[in-house]
Amino acid sequence: QLQLQESGPGLVKPSATLSLTCTVSGDSISRGNYYWGWIRQPPGKGLEWIGSIYYSGETYYSPSLKSRVTMSVDTSQNQFSLKVNSVTAADTAVYYCARLGTHYGANSKADYWGQGTLVTVSS
Amino acid sequence: QSALTQPPSASGSPGQSVTISCTGSSSDIGSHSYVSWYQQHPGKAPKLMIYDVNKRPSGVPDRFSGSKSGNTASLTVSGLQAEDEADYHCSSYGGSDTFVIFGGGTKLTVL
Repeated sequence: QLQLQESGPGLVKPSATLSLTCTVSGDSISRGNYYWGWIRQPPGKGLEWIGSIYYSGETYYSPSLKSRVTMSVDTSQNQFSLKVNSVTAADTAVYYCARLGTHYGANSKADYWGQGTLVTVSS
Repeated sequence: QSALTQPPSASGSPGQSVTISCTGSSSDIGSHSYVSWYQQHPGKAPKLMIYDVNKRPSGVPDRFSGSKSGNTASLTVSGLQAEDEADYHCSSYGGSDTFVIFGGGTKLTVL
């Protein structure tokens, strides 16, 4: 059974860098069948796609976050990571990692999700 | 990019059918058949209910169905049950510039 687990600090100071890791078990990222992604949800609001990554390191980012986001993949650890720099209170959200589709257009399909981790930006 | 537009709320009585709309543009829903719908109960991660406009993942009841007309996608829940009360989110592939966009979510209440 595929499982995803987010990990990282729950509290980040304004202007600092938010860093999260998603550990995948039950499947190998390097098998190359799927894209993997990050999606966030501010308290009481809707979902927002942050970006997607392929096992090769190919990345796609939300236009609104592109200047502050970096995603990477570590196939040896079966993990992928997210960094958001220069964070503000507006970046406070539950951050989810997810398995996405098998091709370009199917990135809107997230069939396995992590439980989510709340990241609060506050001094 | 603009988010997809969903009504903030919808409701129905047990046994009834409810349809939730998701309106985009000719750049996303109108030109791609990559629309997904998610169910989210409070404090839980979203669950994929529909993908590729009208396909159901294994284990999702056939009471849930999806469709698309022009720039608007729809999720219909038939034979409403108490456990269907949740937030529902739509998403679509938005093309090579936007990639993935979500709607604002619809809170479904079972009366």
